[in-house]
Amino acid sequence: QQQVKQSPQSLIVQKGGISIINCAYENTAFDYFPWYQQFPGKGPALLIAIRPDVSEKKEGRFTISFNKSAKQFSLHIMDSQPGDSATYFCAARKSLYNQGGKLIFGQGTELSVKP
Amino acid sequence: DVKVTQSSRYLVKRTGEKVFLECVQDMDHENMFWYRQDPGLGLRLIYFSYDVKMKEKGDIPEGYSVSREKKERFSLILESASTNQTSMYLCASSLYGVRGQGAEEQYFGPGTRLTVT
Repeated sequence: QQQVKQSPQSLIVQKGGISIINCAYENTAFDYFPWYQQFPGKGPALLIAIRPDVSEKKEGRFTISFNKSAKQFSLHIMDSQPGDSATYFCAARKSLYNQGGKLIFGQGTELSVKP
Repeated sequence: DVKVTQSSRYLVKRTGEKVFLECVQDMDHENMFWYRQDPGLGLRLIYFSYDVKMKEKGDIPEGYSVSREKKERFSLILESASTNQTSMYLCASSLYGVRGQGAEEQYFGPGTRLTVT
C-alpha cells in the first residue's frame, strides 16, 4: 500500500517529441504528488507537483495529469529537448501530523532525448 | 538559495568499518532525511528527523543509525559497513509542514557515493 510504481525504467525520445512517464499508487491517503528531476552528479530537485483535488497542472513544457479514480498520475514533457535528459522520479506523500510528511518515491525513469 | 551539503562526494570503506556520513543545511529547516539511491529501486528512506534529537525510522533502517544534535546537522552512521551498503546516499531537508496546509519541498544534497569493499 505504500508503494509507488513508475514506468518505464528508461525512455528514449527524439528532440521535439513528447516524453511520458507514468506512476501508480494504492494508498488513497496520499495527498501530494511531486516529480523530481535529477541530473548526473546532482541531487534530485523538485520539478512540478500536484494535489489530488485537480486533474492537471502545467508549468511550461511540463504537465502532470492526475487520475484520482485510477490512482495514477503521469508527467508529460512537451517538445522534449536534449537538456531534459535526466532521471525523473515520481513521489507521493502522506501527511504526518507535526512531521511534515515523508515521500514515497517511484523507481525512477532515465530519459534520454536524442538531437 | 537553500543549500544542503554532504561531507564527501566519494567514500571507500572496508567491511566492518564504522562510517559517518554528514549532512548540513543552511536554511533552518526542521525536517531532515537520509535516503539511499540504487538503480531500479529509486530513493528509499532510511531515517528522518523532524526536530533536534528526534528521529524516526524510514523504510530501510536496518544497519543504520542517525544523530541530530543540532538543527542544521544530520548524521548517518553505518555501525559496521557491509558490501550490501554500497550505494549512493542522499540527504535532504524541508520546512515543517502543517497537516492539510500543504506539502513542503525537499531539498537534496549532491549525494555521497559509498563503496564498501
